[in-house]
Amino acid sequence: AQRVTQPEKLLSVFKGAPVELKCNYSYSGSPELFWYVQYSRQRLQLLLRHISRESIKGFTADLNKGETSFHLKKPFAQEEDSAMYYCALIEGAQKLVFGQGTRLTINP
Amino acid sequence: NAGVTQTPKFRVLKTGQSMTLLCAQDMNHEYMYWYRQDPGMGLRLIHYSVGEGTTAKGEVPDGYNVSRLKKQNFLLGLESAAPSQTSVYFCASSPHRGLVSYEQYFGPGTRLTVT
Repeated sequence: AQRVTQPEKLLSVFKGAPVELKCNYSYSGSPELFWYVQYSRQRLQLLLRHISRESIKGFTADLNKGETSFHLKKPFAQEEDSAMYYCALIEGAQKLVFGQGTRLTINP
Repeated sequence: NAGVTQTPKFRVLKTGQSMTLLCAQDMNHEYMYWYRQDPGMGLRLIHYSVGEGTTAKGEVPDGYNVSRLKKQNFLLGLESAAPSQTSVYFCASSPHRGLVSYEQYFGPGTRLTVT
C-alpha cells in the first residue's frame, strides 16, 4: 500500500531561520506528490505540487526518488508560515494519501 | 462561487444515533471525497465518488455510507454513531480531465462529537 510519512508532528523555528518539513513516501511507480497547508481557521488548501516545480510563498520541494523524499523547504521563515502542513501523494481515481501532518510554529 | 460547502459545521450525537453530513460544490467537479481528520493520523479517505450515481470505498469506510444522487452533492451517513467516529470530517472535490492530477478543493469541515 502507498504510504506517506511525516516524521515530525511538531516543528518550531525562529522567524528568519530556515525551515525544512520532512516527507518520505513509499509508492510503486512514478509518484505525484503534493504539499497541502491548513492555516488557523482556514480550510485545507494546496501549497504546491512536485510536477509544477514552482515556488509558492517562498516554499520549494524537490522530489528525490532515490531517497523517496519530498521535503518542503523555505530559506527564511515568516510568522505567517505557522500552520499545519500535510504531504500527500495521488493514487488511482485521484485519491490523495496523506501523511500524518506537521504543525509548524514560527517564533518571533 | 461558494466552492465546497459542508452542513452542519458542528454536531454532537449520542451513541447509536444517526445523521447525514451534506457536501455541496458549485464548480461542476466530477470527483468528490469524504475524509476524516484525527490527531496524529492526518486525513484518511472514507469514501469517494468519480461521478453522479457512483461511489467507492476508501481507506476507512466501516460505519459510513454515502450517496451521490446529484453531481453537486455528496452525502455521508452514519447509521449508528460510535464514539470512535468523533472526528473532523472534510469533504473535497476535484475536476477530472484525463490523466492529469488536479488540485482537490476542500470544504471547511464538520466537527462531530459522539458521546
